[in-house]
Formats: sequence, structure tokens, C-alpha cells
Amino acid sequence: EAQVTQNPRYLITVTGKKLTVTCSQNMNHEYMSWYRQDPGLGLRQIYYSMNVEVTDKGDVPEGYKVSRKEKRNFPLILESPSPNQTSLYFCASSSDNVGYEQYFGPGTRLTVT
Amino acid sequence: RKEVEQDPGPFNVPEGATVAFNCTYSNSASQSFFWYRQDCRKEPKLLMSVYSSGNEDGRFTAQLNRASQYISLLIRDSKLSDSATYLCVVNEDYGQNFVFGPGTRLSVLP
Repeated sequence: EAQVTQNPRYLITVTGKKLTVTCSQNMNHEYMSWYRQDPGLGLRQIYYSMNVEVTDKGDVPEGYKVSRKEKRNFPLILESPSPNQTSLYFCASSSDNVGYEQYFGPGTRLTVT
Repeated sequence: RKEVEQDPGPFNVPEGATVAFNCTYSNSASQSFFWYRQDCRKEPKLLMSVYSSGNEDGRFTAQLNRASQYISLLIRDSKLSDSATYLCVVNEDYGQNFVFGPGTRLSVLP
């Protein structure tokens, strides 16, 4: 089954404790993205990747890191989480072979206290 | 700053009604356009891409007006299952920098 998976789905952590949210897709898509969704603000792109070892900043990259060492994986790293990073996070993948339709993972709800 | 704006909503309509959503975008260089739907606390899913000539998929019709930088979505004969938030999405350069509108929530009432 074609899908994007994210782990963990829910996470409560404390300020400053490094964490990683994993994202994996099984569709051999070139493109992957991370978004955060906050009430009243909609989805905002954090980082995206055009292919292995190629990443670029989206609209809200501050406080986040990403890496793309393999085509299928695109982890999101919060080196020192802060309460303003409490949000719902989505990973997505797409390919120009399907008109850039983005397939989203189920989301990770992160709370930083 | 790139912006995508949508009707604030929410829209509450009876079953069978026709409802239209509007979306405007600020970046005239935008190249591709989409409507996604998002159910409560779930991931967004593509509803339809929007082409310059307009396109229709069953009860759904999307229109694009590049001169006015305006996109619309029309839902005819609305069903209870159409209740969701509808997201307008714009891509600037066929790359991967997508800008989402804030969404318009639709509730279809029995």
C-alpha cells in the first residue's frame, strides 16, 4: 500500500530535549516536505527536499533541521524544542510523475512544555 | 511575502445545496494550483488540481482566473460526507515550495 508514515504520532516533551520525528514514504517520490499546522494559520512549510542530499528552507525553518540521506526518509529534528514549537506536524511526499500531488502522513502531535 | 487567502467560513449548508469557495493568491508567478480537503485532525488529501481551462470531477468544479489571481471551487448537490475543511494550495515554480491557504470549513447539515 502506497503510504507516508510518521513516528511518533503523539509526543509530549520538555523544553530543550532534542527530538526527531521520522518520516518515510514507499512510493519512490523525489520530493518530500515538512509542514506544521496551527489554529488560524493553516499549514506552513518548514523544509522541503527535491532529492537525496538536496534540502531547502520553507517559510518557517527556524528551530528545525532536516536531512535526506536516503530517498525514502526525511526526518525532522528539533535540537532544542521550545513551547512555541507545540503544533501538529505533517510530512508529505510528491512526484512530478503525478502532477505534484502531495501525499501526507497521518501527522505528529507535538507538545513542548 | 507569498499569501493565499480564502473565505473565512464556516459555511453551514443543507444537504443538496450548492456551495462555492473562493481563494486569492498574491504571487503572480504562481504556476500550479490545487484544492485539498482535510477532515478534522486528519491529514490533507488532494481533491483536485486546478487547470487554466477549468476542470470538473463529478459534483466538483474548479476554476482558475490568472488575471485576477483567483481560484474557485464549486460543490453541487452537497452531501453530509462533504463536511470538511477545504484548503487552497498554490505552488510558485513547479518546485516544492507550496503555500496553503488557511482553509474554509464546510458543514453540510441533514
